[in-house]
Amino acid sequence: AQRVTQPEKLLSVFKGAPVELKCNYSYSGSPELFWYVQYSRQRLQLLLRHISRESIKGFTADLNKGETSFHLKKPFAQEEDSAMYYCALSGRRDDKIIFGKGTRLHILP
Amino acid sequence: EAEVAQSPRYKITEKSQAVAFWCDPISGHATLYWYRQILGQGPELLVQFQDESVVDDSQLPKDRFSAERLKGVDSTLKIQPAELGDSAMYLCASSFYEGAGTEAFFGQGTRLTVV
Repeated sequence: AQRVTQPEKLLSVFKGAPVELKCNYSYSGSPELFWYVQYSRQRLQLLLRHISRESIKGFTADLNKGETSFHLKKPFAQEEDSAMYYCALSGRRDDKIIFGKGTRLHILP
Repeated sequence: EAEVAQSPRYKITEKSQAVAFWCDPISGHATLYWYRQILGQGPELLVQFQDESVVDDSQLPKDRFSAERLKGVDSTLKIQPAELGDSAMYLCASSFYEGAGTEAFFGQGTRLTVV
């Protein structure tokens, strides 16, 4: 079964501290992994995708196929990082996108 | 910058009534998705279109929900009759297939409250 699991509903981190949002997935095959973000009063938008191997707003995510994980990391949290973060996957042969339940990241001053 | 448009932004309806939502995707995007997002949960795919054809509606409650994209451009999602449990945010998204890792662009959503 295709599934994305985000174990933390809420993560509170002090400004300047490292951030790690956890994501585990279940998929028969080789999926593409994404992180989407929703800032307050804004629409859901792509933050980064595994295939691009890029760093966006200081965030990176490494795909670990052995652990079926795609954790999102940032070395130094900023207040503007406060938002809802959703891990998602899609198949290589179709673009059906499945989302996790999301983690609310709260950056403390 | 092109955006996915949805209307209405908010809708309050009585249970057993019919309700409809509209979505206009980004021009040129062949793939269109409807998602339902219940408070505190992630988006759940209801239906996916490729042009005017449905490619996935396995999670669409077909006894009360219907979706169409007649000309392969804009789309309508209908609920008839609405139930209290249908209260949620309904999100529309579109994408232009670029191979693996295609990005989906989301609308602002329609928040439905069934009373």
